[in-house]
Parts: sequence; structure tokens; C-alpha cells
Amino acid sequence: QLQLQESGPGLVKPSETLSLTCTVSGDSISTTNFYWGWIRQPPGKGLEWIGTIYYSGTKYYNPSLKSRVTISVDTSRNQFSLKVTSVTAADTAIYYCARHRARTEFDYWGQGTLVTVSS
Amino acid sequence: QSALTQPRSVSGSPGQSVTLSCTGISSNVGGYNYVSWYQQHPGNAPKLIIYDVNRRPSGVPNRFSGSTSGNTASLTISGLQAEDEADYYCCSYAGSYTWVFGGGTKLTVL
Repeated sequence: QLQLQESGPGLVKPSETLSLTCTVSGDSISTTNFYWGWIRQPPGKGLEWIGTIYYSGTKYYNPSLKSRVTISVDTSRNQFSLKVTSVTAADTAIYYCARHRARTEFDYWGQGTLVTVSS
Repeated sequence: QSALTQPRSVSGSPGQSVTLSCTGISSNVGGYNYVSWYQQHPGNAPKLIIYDVNRRPSGVPNRFSGSTSGNTASLTISGLQAEDEADYYCCSYAGSYTWVFGGGTKLTVL
């Protein structure tokens, strides 16, 4: 059974960089035709797609976040990571990692991790 | 990239049918057959219930069905049950390997 687990600091100071890692177990992150994405959800609000990476390193970002977001993959560790720079309170959210097929559904999700931006 | 538009809340009684709408534009919902729906109970991660407009993953009851018409996608839940009370989110492929979600609908089972 495929499982995804987010990890990283739960508290980040304003203007600093948010860093999270998603560890994939139960299958290889290098499996063809599957992509790996990050989605976030501010408290009490809706979902927002942040970006997606393929095991080869090809990346796609939400245009509204592109200037501050970097997603990377480490196939040797079966992990992919997210960095968001210059964070503000608006970046406070539950951050989810998820698997999806090209163009279509997000079928497996991590449990999510709450990141709070506060001094 | 604006979010898809969903009604903030919908309600129905047990046994009834309810339809949740999700409105986008021609470059997302109206342009691709790649709409998916997610159910989220409080404190849990979203769960996929519909993909590719009207396909159900294994294990999802056939009470859940999806459709599209123009720039609007719909999720219909028939034979409403108490356990269906949750938040529902639509998502559409928006071209160039980007995705957009809706703001979510809170379904209340009366």
C-alpha cells in the first residue's frame, strides 16, 4: 500500500524559508507515469495546488507561487521536497504531498502537516 | 489562475439526492475531461471520490457520480447518508501541467 508522509518544522518565522519533505513508501518514486505534488490548505479554507515534480526532475509550479517555490526530488531516498521562500502569515497552512497521474487525479495523499508562520 | 467556484454549503436529508456544482472556464473545466472530486472529513486528508469527470476509484460507492456541462462540473450524491457529511472539493486540470481547485462545499446531512 502506497503511503506518503510529510515532515518538517511546524513553525517558521516571517521572511524565512519553509522546508518540507515527503517520504514515499510502498512504491518507487521513480515509477513511470506518476507525478508527485504539493497542495496546501490554509486553516478553514480551500485547497491550493503548489507544484508538481516528476522523478526525472521536471517541475511544474502554480504561477501565483512560482517566484517563491522550489520542488526537488531525491530518488535514492524516495523523497521529494518543497521550499517556499520569504514566507508571510498567508503561507500558514496544512501542507499535503500527493501522488497523481499526468493531467489527472491526486489519488494518494499524505496526512498533512501544519506549518505556522509566526515570530 | 482563479479558483473554481463552488457553493459554500449544501444540505439534504438522509435518502435524498444532492448535486454539488463546480464552475470554471473554458481553459480548465470546459477544456479537459480531467475533473476530480475529493471528500474531506474534519481533521483528515482529502480522499479521491471521482476522477476523469465520472470515474470512481475502487471502493467508492456508486451513490457518487460526476458529470460536466460546458464549464460546470457536478457531483451528485444519491441516497444521502450521515457519513456523507463532509467538505467536497473539485479540481480541474488547467493546461500546461497546472491544476486548480475549487473553494469547497460543506455538505450538511439534516
